[in-house]
Amino acid sequence: EAQVTQNPRYLITVTGKKLTVTCSQNMNHEYMSWYRQDPGLGLRQIYYSMNVEVTDKGDVPEGYKVSRKEKRNFPLILESPSPNQTSLYFCASSLREGLTDTQYFGPGTRLTVL
Amino acid sequence: AQKVTQAQTEISVVEKEDVTLDCVYETRDTTYYLFWYKQPPSGELVFLIRRNSFDEQNEISGRYSWNFQKSTSSFNFTITASQVVDSAVYFCALSEPSGGYNKLIFGAGTRLAVHP
Repeated sequence: EAQVTQNPRYLITVTGKKLTVTCSQNMNHEYMSWYRQDPGLGLRQIYYSMNVEVTDKGDVPEGYKVSRKEKRNFPLILESPSPNQTSLYFCASSLREGLTDTQYFGPGTRLTVL
Repeated sequence: AQKVTQAQTEISVVEKEDVTLDCVYETRDTTYYLFWYKQPPSGELVFLIRRNSFDEQNEISGRYSWNFQKSTSSFNFTITASQVVDSAVYFCALSEPSGGYNKLIFGAGTRLAVHP
């Protein structure tokens, strides 16, 4: 089954404790992204990757890191989480189709930072 | 700057009513794409439709229909004969081809509650 998977689905942590949220897709997609969803703000892009070893900042990259060592994986790293990073996080992947792409999202990771 | 506005924060209807979710966008590009996603209570995001700026033809898929009007920069979504399973948050999004990658700009979402 074609899908984007994220782990963990739920995480409660404390300020300053490094964490990684994994994202994996089995569709051989080139593009992958991370978004965060906050009430009243919709989803905002954190980082994206156009291919292996190619990553770039989205609209809200502060406090996050990513890496793309393999095409299928795109982990999101919070080196020193803070309470304002409490949010619902989505990973997405897509394949370019002409001038655009359609992004398919993972199930989401709900993160609480105390 | 690109922007998507979904002015309706919450809508509540009774089953079998028709309901329209509004989406207004801003862009300076002539080529762009519009999307709708559904987020049911389980939390995942489900892709519903993609439309490009050169195709203003309305689209119908079962009980769902979309009305794209460039003159008013709107891409509204109508659910006919709503059902309880339609209860979800619906997001409208915009993307523009730039830098080889299309970033999605999302609206704030409209929460639809369909009551039996």
